[in-house]
Amino acid sequence: QLQLQESGPGLVKPSETLSLTCTVSGGSISSSSYYWGWIRQPPGKGLEWIGSIYYSGSTYYNPSLKSRVTISVDTSKNQFSLKLSSVTAADTAVYYCARREAEVRGVIFGVDYWGQGTLVTVSS
Amino acid sequence: IQLTQSPSSLSASVGDRVTITCRASQGISSYLAWYQQKPGKAPKLLIYAASTLQSGVPSRFSGSGSGTDFTLTISSLQPEDFATYYCQQLNSFPLTFGPGTKVDIK
Repeated sequence: QLQLQESGPGLVKPSETLSLTCTVSGGSISSSSYYWGWIRQPPGKGLEWIGSIYYSGSTYYNPSLKSRVTISVDTSKNQFSLKLSSVTAADTAVYYCARREAEVRGVIFGVDYWGQGTLVTVSS
Repeated sequence: IQLTQSPSSLSASVGDRVTITCRASQGISSYLAWYQQKPGKAPKLLIYAASTLQSGVPSRFSGSGSGTDFTLTISSLQPEDFATYYCQQLNSFPLTFGPGTKVDIK
């Protein structure tokens, strides 16, 4: 059974860089045809897609965050990571890592595996 | 692509039929998913491709629609279905979510 687990600091100071890692177990992150990504949810609010990285290495980012976001993969550790620079209080949220299967014969799949989420608070 | 959901919240009783609507700002074919989220938990995929039930999801959940208008229906609401429901468009990046519909107990 595939499992995803987020890790990283729960408190980040304003203007600094938020860094999170997602460790994938029960499957290989190098497997073809999957997107690995990040989604966040501010307290009491809705879901916001941050970005994804395809198994090939292609990245896709939310334009609202694009200038501050980097998603990368470390296949040797079966992990992928999120870096969000110049954070403000508006970046306080629960951050989820997630997996989505790529299109197969015209079928586009939803996000079927999620981490449990990790709360990151931006505060001095 | 912007998604709107209606209603934003609803109160219903066990056994009720519940319908939630999601509308896209432009056509997205059938590239829509529905999720259920309970407090303190990650969202759970219910339906993808607008109408395909994810493995393990009870058959009382169903989805329909294409283009810009979509519907999630719960045929007979169960106690464990009280949650917030989100739609997500997968037609193009950036992927976007609807604002959510909270279903609570009447």
